[in-house]
Amino acid sequence: GAVVSQHPSRVICKSGTSVKIECRSLDFQATTMFWYRQFPKQSLMLMATSNEGSKATYEQGVEKDKFLINHASLTLSTLTVTSAHPEDSSFYICSATTPSRSYNEQFFGPGTRLTVL
Amino acid sequence: DAKTTQPPSMDCAEGRAANLPCNHSTISGNEYVYWYRQIHSQGPQYIIHGLKNNETNEMASLIITEDRKSSTLILPHATLRDTAVYYCIVPSGTYKYIFGTGTRLKVLA
Repeated sequence: GAVVSQHPSRVICKSGTSVKIECRSLDFQATTMFWYRQFPKQSLMLMATSNEGSKATYEQGVEKDKFLINHASLTLSTLTVTSAHPEDSSFYICSATTPSRSYNEQFFGPGTRLTVL
Repeated sequence: DAKTTQPPSMDCAEGRAANLPCNHSTISGNEYVYWYRQIHSQGPQYIIHGLKNNETNEMASLIITEDRKSSTLILPHATLRDTAVYYCIVPSGTYKYIFGTGTRLKVLA
């Protein structure tokens, strides 16, 4: 149980276009979802926290107008990278939590590799 | 900043126990320690977590010192598939994970 999926697994886009990444909790209701970014050979960096039905909370230095997060239901959160540029190329990972499981445990998706040409 | 520090890399011979240390000296009384690992180009995989008692599951054992300022993850019989980056995490706030640099474990044949 506690499976999180992401779609797409990899995407290539042209500079200036927008890309949407979906994160779904398949067998549980996720009250909170998180978005991370990971550059090659670096650790995961938390970008934002989203709670269902409310605005996301962004970490310092993350542009909220560039990385739009929507958590419209208890099983789906989306991250839209607007006007993507080559420096946005990265591995984006989501995770989810639910109060019905261990208090702080997060369940991670498989990640989405974004390449901006 | 991450609440944990780990050695950047370790090697372990296949079939031997891998002992991965983590320092979390600022941990407070009700904060758990979580361990995840990340195999190349995949999302982190949960391994184990604990509060104050030692824990064991089918993947690993977690030894937490009595003062809770450090812990050790033990993979009893490491295999080549255990080669990964291992992260020790003490959540910040209610749910927030701040990842440190982790330990890159290389299991050698």
